Amino acid sequence: SQTIHQWPATLVQPVGSPLSLECTVEGTSNPNLYWYRQAAGRGLQLLFYSIGIDQISSEVPQNLSASRPQDRQFILSSKKLLLSDSGFYLCAWSDWDGKNIQYFGAGTRLSVL
Amino acid sequence: AQSVTQLDSHVSVSEGTPVLLRCNYSSSYSPSLFWYVQHPNKGLQLLLKYTSAATLVKGINGFEAEFKKSETSFHLTKPSAHMSDAAEYFCVYRSGNTGKLIFGQGTTLQVKP
Repeated sequence: SQTIHQWPATLVQPVGSPLSLECTVEGTSNPNLYWYRQAAGRGLQLLFYSIGIDQISSEVPQNLSASRPQDRQFILSSKKLLLSDSGFYLCAWSDWDGKNIQYFGAGTRLSVL
Repeated sequence: AQSVTQLDSHVSVSEGTPVLLRCNYSSSYSPSLFWYVQHPNKGLQLLLKYTSAATLVKGINGFEAEFKKSETSFHLTKPSAHMSDAAEYFCVYRSGNTGKLIFGQGTTLQVKP
């Protein structure tokens, strides 16, 4: 069966420090991968999605970037964190055609201080 | 533009009483709609989905939702609330072209003993 892993679960970082959140999927090949951010008390906002290795689309201009160095690995990064980057970050995957259900990881709670 | 609106940001019910979480959508096309549940500091779990088959959709944990095209609604219901149902619920629209998910703002369900 397919599983999705995100880490770390919780992260506290100072303003201006770099960021790297990792997401991996097991049990499937060539998945579509997604990064979402959930600000406190709000719905989810799609940040990036990827249909294949090194194929990444950005949904909103921001201080973050994403990379997909391997088929089932999706990384969210920042060179310099801002206070406004705080939030709950969720990774998700769906079958390669993107038309099936998205399955979510457990999320990473990021606090930028 | 496609969108979803969750009409209540917070719903409070007593244990054993019915649950109604309201969602309206806006779409020029026949939509794919989902309800997800999120427990505190956890990822999202799919409750049920509508993909143009039966208009009454049954999901996990006793939840169901009815797609009403005339009312552009997809309300989530459960006959009898359980304490474990307390969580955040998201109504989600999926774009048929891109597979991207558009989230409602969420409804917090409180279940009182």
